[in-house]
Amino acid sequence: RKEVEQDPGPFNVPEGATVAFNCTYSNSASQSFFWYRQDCRKEPKLLMSVYSSGNEDGRFTAQLNRASQYISLLIRDSKLSDSATYLCVPNTGNQFYFGTGTSLTVIP
Amino acid sequence: SQTIHQWPATLVQPVGSPLSLECTVEGTSNPNLYWYRQAAGRGLQLLFYSVGIGQISSEVPQNLSASRPQDRQFILSSKKLLLSDSGFYLCAWSPGQGGDTQYFGPGTRLTVL
Repeated sequence: RKEVEQDPGPFNVPEGATVAFNCTYSNSASQSFFWYRQDCRKEPKLLMSVYSSGNEDGRFTAQLNRASQYISLLIRDSKLSDSATYLCVPNTGNQFYFGTGTSLTVIP
Repeated sequence: SQTIHQWPATLVQPVGSPLSLECTVEGTSNPNLYWYRQAAGRGLQLLFYSVGIGQISSEVPQNLSASRPQDRQFILSSKKLLLSDSGFYLCAWSPGQGGDTQYFGPGTRLTVL
C-alpha cells in the first residue's frame, strides 16, 4: 500500500470556482501534514502546514481527519495563478512522504 | 533567513560517466538534509537523507551514493550513470527536529544520454 494516495486529476476548473483535493495516508503515526504546490519544472513550495484538525489561509483551507487518515485542500475563488500540481505530504519523524500530486488547471 | 543552493541547474551526461551534485544550506545549523529524484511526470522519490555529518540513510538501492562532509553540505554522486538516472534531482532541508516542514532547493535537471 502506498504511503500517500492522491487523485491525480487533472482538475480543469474555471476562474472563480471552488475546487477540493483529497489525500489519504497509510501511516497512523504521521505527526504533521503539509500541502505543497509544484509548478511545471520547478521545485515544490510549501503552501500550507496542517497541524491539528485543519487551518485556513486566505482562499485555502486544509482539513485533517486523523481517524480516517484523510487530508483535504479546498481552494476558493480559483485564480489562473493557482494552476499547478498540489502535493500532499504527511511527516513521520525525519521523513516526509510525497504523494504523486493532483494537477489543477484554472481556465480563463 | 535560510537559503538552499543547488548546482548545476542543468546537466547532460553520457551513460557511464560519473556524477557529482552539490547542495548547501545557509542560515541554519544541524539541518536534516534530503535528496529526492523526480522522473518526468512522476512523484518525488526519496533517495537519501542525513541527520548529521557522516550520517546517511539510503532509501532506494541504486548506483547512487550520498555524502555529508560538512554540516550544511550534501553531495550526491555516482561512479557510472545509467539512462534511468535521468530526472529532476531535488535537495531539501528541514530543521533538525521531527515534525517541521521541508524546504527545497531549485533542483538539478539531469539528462543521461
